[in-house]
Parts: sequence; structure tokens; C-alpha cells
Amino acid sequence: DAKTTQPNSMESNEEEPVHLPCNHSTISGTDYIHWYRQLPSQGPEYVIHGLTSNVNNRMASLAIAEDRKSSTLILHRATLRDAAVYYCILRDPEYGNKLVFGAGTILRVKS
Amino acid sequence: DTGVSQDPRHKITKRGQNVTFRCDPISEHNRLYWYRQTLGQGPEFLTYFQNEAQLEKSRLLSDRFSAERPKGSFSTLEIQRTEQGDSAMYLCASSPGGRGDTQYFGPGTRLTVL
Repeated sequence: DAKTTQPNSMESNEEEPVHLPCNHSTISGTDYIHWYRQLPSQGPEYVIHGLTSNVNNRMASLAIAEDRKSSTLILHRATLRDAAVYYCILRDPEYGNKLVFGAGTILRVKS
Repeated sequence: DTGVSQDPRHKITKRGQNVTFRCDPISEHNRLYWYRQTLGQGPEFLTYFQNEAQLEKSRLLSDRFSAERPKGSFSTLEIQRTEQGDSAMYLCASSPGGRGDTQYFGPGTRLTVL
């Protein structure tokens, strides 16, 4: 499984944008980039995923570097409810369906 | 939309006892997964079912662990002769099927082995 590298923790102010980085220099051509988050005392929750192009949904945006060796999850206006652990995961749909989680980034949001 | 449910939410047991957890996936999801999560770590994959067939098992799943999904609906995870190292959050997820489909997680069962 290709490896991702994320900062251990980040801090943001409420109502400001947050950019969560992820490095994946060994990404293969068929790996999708998935983001999940885990709020305190809950199971992980899907956020967004993409392959090559930038993606937007109601929760966040995903910006993917042109060489695909890094990506950034963007929360446009952080709220206290966005405080969670954010996981960046590479997933090749041709090679099984499990998710391989790293340690993720702990996001703290200050009011 | 009832989501994935797990029962019990918390379980405290003594070392050497057997425990069984249940997971009810989202209706009509044909894939079901079990993960284990210890404090400060991300979830680790344990096993995966497509309908009633168990298609993949992690090396983490020792012979004391067994999982079933008898009718392709709910699933059970049993741990025999529990050890203190089994203390963790056990997470269940389900997905509808298809390439790279999204997994929906339940709230987990927290196991404490004394």
C-alpha cells in the first residue's frame, strides 16, 4: 500500500479556511486519493476523493498537485464541529477494498 | 437512513473470557468490513465480506478471532480467550459495492479487557 505523510496536528481559528496537506510521493497512476475524518468518539466519516482533477463537494474541496505527489484538503470556513482527525488515504480500486489509515492530522479549531 | 449500527457500544470483560460484537450494515450494502483502532492510532483493517463470503483477512486476525456474516446482512465478530492487548475500539463499516466505493462506519464497540 502506498504511503501518505501528514502533519501530526494543525490549529485553525473558527470561520477561517483550513488547508490540510498530504504528501504521497509514491502514488501510482491508478491510486485514488481519499479523505476521511473522525470526530471524537465516532467512527470515521467520508469527506471527499479524487484522482487527478480538483474536486468540490458540500463538505470540502480537494486540490491535487499536477504531479499527484501531494494533495490538500480545504475546509473553506472551519467550525468547531470540524475539529477531528483527518486521514488521507490512497486507494487502488483494482487491489481490494480495505482502507489503510495512517495516524492522520489532528485538527483543532479555536473559537 | 439508519446508518451502520453496532452493539454493544461498550464491553468490559475479564481476561480469558469470550466476547461477541454485532454489526448491522446499511440496508442493501453488500460489503461489510471490520477494523480495530487503538488509542492514538488510525483504524486497522481486520476482515471484509462481500455478501456472506469472507474475502480478505488481515494477519492481525489471529485464530482467536472469527467473523461471520451468515445471511449477507448483519455480521458478528467473536474474540475467544480475550487478552489485555485486545482492548481497542472495534469498528464496522459497510459499502454498496463498486470500484472504490465509499465506506460508511458505525460508532464502534469499545472493548476493555481487565
